[in-house]
Amino acid sequence: DTGVSQDPRHKITKRGQNVTFRCDPISEHNRLYWYRQTLGQGPEFLTYFQNEAQLEKSRLLSDRFSAERPKGSFSTLEIQHTEQGDSAMYLCASSLMPGATDTQYFGPGTRLTVL
Amino acid sequence: GNSVTQMEGPVTLSEEAFLTINCTYTATGYPSLFWYVQYPGEGLQLLLKATKADDKGSNKGFEATYRKETTSFHLEKGSVQVSDSAVYFCALSDLTGGSYIPTFGRGTSLIVHP
Repeated sequence: DTGVSQDPRHKITKRGQNVTFRCDPISEHNRLYWYRQTLGQGPEFLTYFQNEAQLEKSRLLSDRFSAERPKGSFSTLEIQHTEQGDSAMYLCASSLMPGATDTQYFGPGTRLTVL
Repeated sequence: GNSVTQMEGPVTLSEEAFLTINCTYTATGYPSLFWYVQYPGEGLQLLLKATKADDKGSNKGFEATYRKETTSFHLEKGSVQVSDSAVYFCALSDLTGGSYIPTFGRGTSLIVHP
């Protein structure tokens, strides 16, 4: 069991640049979540996928944020025209069971710093 | 909307002390409730969960009971160890507009001294 992996672990970029993060879920998990976590706060839900279908994206922070999961396996989160306020930890999680009771398995996160 | 409120930290205890971390929630439906733990340098991991009223979740000596009447899910442990030092997150998952949206509290840091 390799767990959820995220790449890169750290990203430093200049304001206005685009960034893309990758998440590889646990292989048999069909549900994948993206969160943002800022210092001293809990994870803030952004979006999630059931296989390749993006079931909820209204919580994405702005239209600069987009996510894909083209083959129902790995997922990418892109932020266009980054702003300093985008600096945060971006977390990915996956789960096996649909519904409210599913246990999510979290990756280590990607820390984004926008200069 | 849904929300989760946790007691502010840090909570500082001596080894073998009793632990309570308070968590209350607001939800429109019938949520499932979770406690996640984040050890230093690691990702969040599930500690325990409860899916309906009066259920008790337990794991590693930690317990929490789903109290619908008080909308609470307080985390307890009878005797903490130094290795329990971590950040604890209370969370709920509720059906909102046809999707299960997870909501997390801001986390409570626990520091246990020998």
